[in-house]
Amino acid sequence: DAKTTQPNSMESNEEEPVHLPCNHSTISGTDYIHWYRQLPSQGPEYVIHGLTSNVNNRMASLAIAEDRKSSTLILHRATLRDAAVYYCILIFVNKFYFGSGTKLNVKP
Amino acid sequence: DSGVTQTPKHLITATGQRVTLRCSPRSGDLSVYWYQQSLDQGLQFLIQYYNGEERAKGNILERFSAQQFPDLHSELNLSSLELGDSALYFCASSVGPPTGKGTGELFFGEGSRLTVL
Repeated sequence: DAKTTQPNSMESNEEEPVHLPCNHSTISGTDYIHWYRQLPSQGPEYVIHGLTSNVNNRMASLAIAEDRKSSTLILHRATLRDAAVYYCILIFVNKFYFGSGTKLNVKP
Repeated sequence: DSGVTQTPKHLITATGQRVTLRCSPRSGDLSVYWYQQSLDQGLQFLIQYYNGEERAKGNILERFSAQQFPDLHSELNLSSLELGDSALYFCASSVGPPTGKGTGELFFGEGSRLTVL
């Protein structure tokens, strides 16, 4: 199974940037890196994905290391609504494997 | 609203019983994925279908089975239920086809919460 490693939890203050790290040293050349988040009592929702270059969308930015063995999800201004579990995922033969994720707590 | 519909939302049953969980994917999505989320194990990938055919299998027990019908809805059948099967079961869909490269995003339903007593 393709593995990812994330910190169990992180804390941020509201309206400050948050950098959520993920290690994926077993990534292969064509695997995309996906990030999802799961708000309390909801199903996971897509945040962003990328292959090699950094990516931006309305929700977040994704910074991918040059060797692709790690990536960082960046929330530019955390809000209380961003409190969730964030999953970094590698895709392996059509299987989206979710790790244990990082629980983000946002303080007002 | 992701567009993925799962029924029932809640289900309580007894050990040894059999239940069926249903998933209707987003309009136009051909791939359906099933996941199990229990408190101590996070999100576990069970199985994936594309346009009616099984395409990938994860840690799905032999007591569990699934299928995707011609109208693209999917059902997950859980039999001989045990206490440990109590969990949230999520269905997700994507446009597909599955390329193995993960270029598409998954859209998740709100889940079916199964409680086995």
